[in-house]
Amino acid sequence: KQEVTQIPAALSVPEGENLVLNCSFTDSAIYNLQWFRQDPGKGLTSLLLIQSSQREQTSGRLNASLDKSSGRSTLYIAASQPGDSATYLCAVRLISNYQLIWGAGTKLIIKP
Amino acid sequence: GAGVSQSPSNKVTEKGKDVELRCDPISGHTALYWYRQSLGQGLEFLIYFQGNSAPDKSGLPSDRFSAERTGGSVSTLTIQRTQQEDSAVYLCASSSGGSNTGELFFGEGSRLTVL
Repeated sequence: KQEVTQIPAALSVPEGENLVLNCSFTDSAIYNLQWFRQDPGKGLTSLLLIQSSQREQTSGRLNASLDKSSGRSTLYIAASQPGDSATYLCAVRLISNYQLIWGAGTKLIIKP
Repeated sequence: GAGVSQSPSNKVTEKGKDVELRCDPISGHTALYWYRQSLGQGLEFLIYFQGNSAPDKSGLPSDRFSAERTGGSVSTLTIQRTQQEDSAVYLCASSSGGSNTGELFFGEGSRLTVL
């Protein structure tokens, strides 16, 4: 059974720091992995989608990597800003079907 | 439309009433999901539609919940005889194609409060 774990559950850092959020999964038979952010009271915003054949994706200050063999993905945020404060979720899409398995999220606070 | 649209954004109802929540996916997206998120909790899968295939209803918590998708586009989630424990944010998401490679896009959600 696929399980997705995000560590840490919460993180507070000063503005300007580079940081890494972690997502691990137990079964490497995935189609893709997607990172989202969720602001309080809002829906989820897609950040990056990494297909299983890819090693990384970049968008602006965000870089997501994928290592299927070790069951890990990282989301790197460069030069963090207070506006980056949100909960970050990762989800893996199974090869076997359409289901997504979700991590519990990392609540990120960037202090001005 | 440009994104996934959900309505109403907020709904307050009395216990025992029926409610309907609407989701308008991104044009051309054949896959549509409904999730529920209770306060401070993670996403709970409710139902999945893919094209004209029979939906996966395995996540619906009780027979008071039902959903339909007309014409492969707009979807309606109906909750009958609402209970206080139904209070949550109901999120809709869509993705493209019949494959599993599509990026998932969410609406802003419908916040349901049952008094």
